[in-house]
Amino acid sequence: NAGVTQTPKFQVLKTGQSMTLQCAQDMNHNSMYWYRQDPGMGLRLIYYSASEGTTDKGEVPNGYNVSRLNKREFSLRLESAAPSQTSVYFCASQSRKAILGNTEAFFGQGTRLTVV
Amino acid sequence: SQKIEQNSEALNIQEGKTATLTCNYTNYSPAYLQWYRQDPGRGPVFLLLIRENEKEKRKERLKVTFDTTLKQSLFHITASQPADSATYLCALALLTGANNLFFGTGTRLTVIP
Repeated sequence: NAGVTQTPKFQVLKTGQSMTLQCAQDMNHNSMYWYRQDPGMGLRLIYYSASEGTTDKGEVPNGYNVSRLNKREFSLRLESAAPSQTSVYFCASQSRKAILGNTEAFFGQGTRLTVV
Repeated sequence: SQKIEQNSEALNIQEGKTATLTCNYTNYSPAYLQWYRQDPGRGPVFLLLIRENEKEKRKERLKVTFDTTLKQSLFHITASQPADSATYLCALALLTGANNLFFGTGTRLTVIP
């Protein structure tokens, strides 16, 4: 199983450029997440999707948009990149099972984005 | 406000000793507490989870405790090895709400040979 696949792994953007980070999971999970990770800040949630067709804002959504294209894919778009969006981005998925179920999250390898 | 704090940013320990990492939280009522390992340049990888009604969980050289009264989890690695060097993240998992996983900032563990 591939698990969670993110593309690209690295990206350099100029201020004002746009780009889309792609994420796909093959575990039939309902929930998918986009996090950013900055030194000393830990993982901060940007957007999440509890199921196909729904998306919600997390802790730091400004400057980002998302699309849950289908159950497998959840993309993150930067419409006009800013230097403050320089970070490492992680996509994750999680199966929301019943109370006694396993709720671990599976992460992709990350996208290291630099905005100059 | 809600907070998840991990004891220190970095912890150095001699090979063979037991490493103990701390995760404290405020204003959460987690159903589970999870621990993840993150190596440089990689995404976090799940290690263990412990439920609110469990006091202790073990997996090979790893042991996790969960004290809901103290609002604290301890993560132990016994007989530590240089290969255990990584950043360890705790995460609180709630049962309610679509966004139910909240992460601490992590502790970078270095095991010195």
